[in-house]
Amino acid sequence: NAGVMQNPRHLVRRRGQEARLRCSPMKGHSHVYWYRQLPEEGLKFMVYLQKENIIDESGMPKERFSAEFPKEGPSILRIQQVVRGDSAAYFCASSPQFREELFFGSGTQLSVL
Amino acid sequence: QKEVEQDPGPLSVPEGAIVSLNCTYSNSAFQYFMWYRQYSRKGPELLMYTYSSGNKEDGRFTAQVDKSSKYISLFIRDSQPSDSATYLCAMKTPPLGGNNRKLIWGLGTSLAVNP
Repeated sequence: NAGVMQNPRHLVRRRGQEARLRCSPMKGHSHVYWYRQLPEEGLKFMVYLQKENIIDESGMPKERFSAEFPKEGPSILRIQQVVRGDSAAYFCASSPQFREELFFGSGTQLSVL
Repeated sequence: QKEVEQDPGPLSVPEGAIVSLNCTYSNSAFQYFMWYRQYSRKGPELLMYTYSSGNKEDGRFTAQVDKSSKYISLFIRDSQPSDSATYLCAMKTPPLGGNNRKLIWGLGTSLAVNP
């Protein structure tokens, strides 16, 4: 039973480019979460999605960031016009429908040059 | 003041020691408490999940919640070098399920168990 799969593991972008981070939840999990982690800030909630719906995006910056979880395919976190401050580890997690334990992927380390 | 405070360490102990990891919190509405372990360059992994006050034991791990003091602990007995990792506490308010899924996290405590 494969775990949460994130790709790429490492992503390097220049300022102004777009970053696309992908997440495939565990089989049978219908809930996806995105978190950002910085050493001095810890894990910060960004967004909670179910299939085709954004449930809670209260942790997402209002500009440049968007997330989707389509009916088919992985969840995508998109960061447009990246800036150096976007450099961080981005983790995706999933959970089954009626439980709240989170299962995390190994993360995508985004570096903005 | 942060909602969840956790001493970042690092904490270094000899193999076989009992380890005590702690978090304090300010929001009395938190009811669900979790401990995650995170190895370097990996995602967090759930260790323990407790509701409200009391103790919960799972193998060498014991989670303790004291809601009156707004204080939670994770104890590791007979610590092993493989326990070397960062330990994160996380918590949330009710209700369980529904659309409230936001966890509030501590910064994590780095633990090194030396053989």
